[in-house]
Amino acid sequence: AQSVAQPEDQVNVAEGNPLTVKCTYSVSGNPYLFWYVQYPNRGLQFLLKYITGDNLVKGSYGFEAEFNKSQTSFHLKKPSALVSDSALYFCAVRDRAAGNKLTFGGGTRVLVKP
Amino acid sequence: NAGVTQTPKFQVLKTGQSMTLQCAQDMNHEYMSWYRQDPGMGLRLIHYSVGAGITDQGEVPNGYNVSRSTTEDFPLRLLSAAPSQTSVYFCASSYVTGGIRGYEQYFGPGTRLTVT
Repeated sequence: AQSVAQPEDQVNVAEGNPLTVKCTYSVSGNPYLFWYVQYPNRGLQFLLKYITGDNLVKGSYGFEAEFNKSQTSFHLKKPSALVSDSALYFCAVRDRAAGNKLTFGGGTRVLVKP
Repeated sequence: NAGVTQTPKFQVLKTGQSMTLQCAQDMNHEYMSWYRQDPGMGLRLIHYSVGAGITDQGEVPNGYNVSRSTTEDFPLRLLSAAPSQTSVYFCASSYVTGGIRGYEQYFGPGTRLTVT
């Protein structure tokens, strides 16, 4: 069975500093990987995805993620964090054998301090 | 496009009551799904559908029923509410065969359900 792990429940970073949110996955075959962000009392918003091609994927709001097959990781990064980036971030992997099912990690809360 | 809409936004039920959470999308997506979100547990898949007339169970289906009579609508029914079903429920939709149309799922704003 596929799985996703986000080892940090919370990440604290000062505004203007680099932000990294970690994600590792376990899946048979080639993974389809996603990052979503959830702001308070809102639904999830799609940030970026890795399907194939370049290992560095660029997404919305200045975020990017690096796919590393050997380490089975898909860490989310932003070079300079903003206070408005404070939110809950979810990593997910698509189950290609079952329609479009997503398996989510437990989420990482990001707090950016001014 | 309205995207994915969910009603109601909030609901309080007594144990044993039944209700239906509504979900609709106007993007002609084949795939629709229901998740529940509980603190520290991320999102867990309840039921999903890959098209009208086709539904299947997810990770935590017990106590919930679904049907998919049209492409647009995917209601979730709680048969006899229990306190363990207190959660935030999200509906999501996407294309099944992505390609240039993409695989990403679009989420509704959620329904916060409390069962007392």
